Amino acid sequence: AQSVTQLGSHVSVSEGALVLLRCNYSSSVPPYLFWYVQYPNQGLQLLLKYTSAATLVKGINGFEAEFKKSETSFHLTKPSAHMSDAAEYFCAVSQQGYSTLTFGKGTMLLVSP
Amino acid sequence: DAGITQSPRHKVTETGTPVTLRCHQTENHRYMYWYRQDPGHGLRLIHYSYGVKDTDKGEVSDGYSVSRSKTEDFLLTLESATSSQTSVYFCAISDRTGGANTEAFFGQGTRLTVV
Repeated sequence: AQSVTQLGSHVSVSEGALVLLRCNYSSSVPPYLFWYVQYPNQGLQLLLKYTSAATLVKGINGFEAEFKKSETSFHLTKPSAHMSDAAEYFCAVSQQGYSTLTFGKGTMLLVSP
Repeated sequence: DAGITQSPRHKVTETGTPVTLRCHQTENHRYMYWYRQDPGHGLRLIHYSYGVKDTDKGEVSDGYSVSRSKTEDFLLTLESATSSQTSVYFCAISDRTGGANTEAFFGQGTRLTVV
């Protein structure tokens, strides 16, 4: 089975502050992990993905995520939040033997001036 | 952007009526998916297809059926719409040429309201 848990349905930060969005996974085999972003009234857009080549993954818009097997985590970070980062973020997992992505429930990032 | 078109983009329908949502792709990807998005639930898989006429159920398939007669089109049908099916529906595609590490690309969504 494969699943992800996103801690915190809403995260609020000030502009310029560190962004940390948490994702923990459950997988019976080595997982492949993804972060997607959804802006209001739009579809989902891929931010980054982990494919076992490197544990620290850099994505678009200054985001990065680190795969930690010992903690079964794949947290998303950005050093300095911008107003334009306000959106909903989804963590997703896939694994060999599955043809689908399984998503977390999402975390809404709110950025205040 | 991946060539994915969902139609209609918005629909209001009455309880008990049939509804069909269409997803059309121009990428020739093998895999196509239907998800629904609801507050507090994230995205949940309804059905998916791994080829023409090859489909399988997802997590929340009850009340939904799908068909794929051509590579480019994947239809989602609500045989008799209920208020619990009010949601935003997303189509996604993937070629999965890299196996499980291949991402999916999403359409813009269809907002369905059942009254």
